[in-house]
Amino acid sequence: NAGVTQTPKFQVLKTGQSMTLQCAQDMNHNSMYWYRQDPGMGLRLIYYSASEGTTDKGEVPNGYNVSRLNKREFSLRLESAAPSQTSVYFCASTREPGGQPQHFGDGTRLSIL
Amino acid sequence: SQQGEEDPQALSIQEGENATMNCSYKTSINNLQWYRQNSGRGLVHLILIRSNEREKHSGRLRVTLDTSKKSSSLLITASRAADTASYFCATDASQGGKLIFGQGTELSVKP
Repeated sequence: NAGVTQTPKFQVLKTGQSMTLQCAQDMNHNSMYWYRQDPGMGLRLIYYSASEGTTDKGEVPNGYNVSRLNKREFSLRLESAAPSQTSVYFCASTREPGGQPQHFGDGTRLSIL
Repeated sequence: SQQGEEDPQALSIQEGENATMNCSYKTSINNLQWYRQNSGRGLVHLILIRSNEREKHSGRLRVTLDTSKKSSSLLITASRAADTASYFCATDASQGGKLIFGQGTELSVKP
């Protein structure tokens, strides 16, 4: 039972490069979320998908795009990476939006030089 | 902007002691959740308390919620070295299940 799987676990990019972070869950959850975590801070929501076929902006969406590929998969894309996007990115899922605990992957550690 | 403010930012105790962490928030909420994060790992859900609940227990965890003061506390009783982690509160105030996290409390339990 894998839960939420994120790939890759680590990545180093140069400024201006593009990259897609992958997330997949095997719990048949409807809602999925992307967060970023910066040192000494809690998580901030980038984008979320309340159900398959829908996506919405969170607190810090600038510089990112997302795709809800199917019920299992929710990807996060950086079109032109900037040093300010150096962070740890977490994907989470939950059975229904609201009132439910979220299940997290182990994160992707992304450095942009 | 972050909804939750956690206090203290860091806490160091001896094994067997109790640990109390506090969380304050700004707006009305549907529920408040506590998560634990071990170093280098993702967050793990501990407990969820709804806005109409005042207290909830799960094993050695006790969570209280005071909506009039917009605050919550997490008590870990009889702490163990394995409880060493960062603890985050998160508020759910929206229809979409969007959580807003506090900055976390870093707990160190010394054997």
